[in-house]
Amino acid sequence: EDQVTQSPEALRLQEGESSSLNCSYTVSGLRGLFWYRQDPGKGPEFLFTLYSAGEEKEKERLKATLTKKESFLHITAPKPEDSATYLCAVQASGYSTLTFGKGTMLLVSP
Amino acid sequence: DAGITQSPRHKVTETGTPVTLRCHQTENHRYMYWYRQDPGHGLRLIHYSYGVKDTDKGEVSDGYSVSRSKTEDFLLTLESATSSQTSVYFCAISDDVGYTFGSGTRLTVV
Repeated sequence: EDQVTQSPEALRLQEGESSSLNCSYTVSGLRGLFWYRQDPGKGPEFLFTLYSAGEEKEKERLKATLTKKESFLHITAPKPEDSATYLCAVQASGYSTLTFGKGTMLLVSP
Repeated sequence: DAGITQSPRHKVTETGTPVTLRCHQTENHRYMYWYRQDPGHGLRLIHYSYGVKDTDKGEVSDGYSVSRSKTEDFLLTLESATSSQTSVYFCAISDDVGYTFGSGTRLTVV
């Protein structure tokens, strides 16, 4: 059974204080690992897909990395508008469905 | 933009009544999904479809049925709503970059 564990459950940062979110996973053959951002009352918004260990992707202040057991979402010099819940999900080889973690709620204070 | 519309956006219904939620897409994607999102559980797959009249169960399918008679519409039905089905329901499609989600339906069963 595929499993995704995200930590911490919640994270509070000051504006400009860089940090990382963790996503640990077990899957029977990884097809892809996905990061989403979700704002209150809205659907998840796609950020990144990572396919193989060692891969990195960046978007503005966010950088996602992948190893064989976990992924990190690094947030550099965050701003209050980065406050959201960040979701991680895995897709197993041969399947179209995603298995999600419970998310990390990030709050960035000015 | 994948053009996903969920309806209704909010619904309050009584225990024991049937409820149908609709997901409509405008771009002819083959795969469509229904997830529910609850505090402490994250997003969990209910049912998915891989084509017209082709559907399969997800992790939490008990009490739910789906139908897909046209490529653009994927319906989720609660045959007899229960309080445990109070949740936020998200529809998603699978496209080139991953999943794109709708804005969600907040369902309250009283």
